[in-house]
Amino acid sequence: QKEVEQNSGPLSVPEGAIASLNCTYSDRGSQSFFWYRQYSGKSPELIMFIYSNGDKEDGRFTAQLNKASQYVSLLIRDSQPSDSATYLCAVYDFGGATNKLIFGTGTLLAVQP
Amino acid sequence: NAGVTQTPKFRILKIGQSMTLQCTQDMNHNYMYWYRQDPGMGLKLIYYSVGAGITDKGEVPNGYNVSRSTTEDFPLRLELAAPSQTSVYFCASSWGTAYNEQFFGPGTRLTVL
Repeated sequence: QKEVEQNSGPLSVPEGAIASLNCTYSDRGSQSFFWYRQYSGKSPELIMFIYSNGDKEDGRFTAQLNKASQYVSLLIRDSQPSDSATYLCAVYDFGGATNKLIFGTGTLLAVQP
Repeated sequence: NAGVTQTPKFRILKIGQSMTLQCTQDMNHNYMYWYRQDPGMGLKLIYYSVGAGITDKGEVPNGYNVSRSTTEDFPLRLELAAPSQTSVYFCASSWGTAYNEQFFGPGTRLTVL
């Protein structure tokens, strides 16, 4: 069973700090990786997508991918209270009978004013 | 564009009852998905569709059925509801698969008593 692992948290950071969220995955052949943000009681929304090794930046968000070590991370710079949410890591599974996104259980981020 | 819409928002069922969760998207996406999310857990794929008339099972299909008669609509049918089906159900759609964002509906919170 292919897995995506995240620390459930909560990860508590002060306002203005850098929040670092990590995700590991079991399938070495995985090619595409997604970070979704989910506010309490709401649906997931895409924050970042990455498929090449290295860093990808979009505003205050940076996704980092290391395929050799099988981890993907999300950095949030200048964290704001509005960033408080659950962050879901998802990895696309090409193998098996069903090509699908495999989601981690999410990390709860709490940004303290 | 309304994006992905789901009805109802909330529903309470008695054990053994049946119901249909409605999902509609207006983005002309070929790919549509049904997920369930249990408390503190990631999203699990129930069923998916790659186009009108084509559906396939995901990770947790037992107790559910789907149909896809049009590009826009992808209803999920629960037969003989059980307490184990208490969950939040999300419908999603996308242009493609591995390298494409999935857009999620607002969700249906279902309780089976």
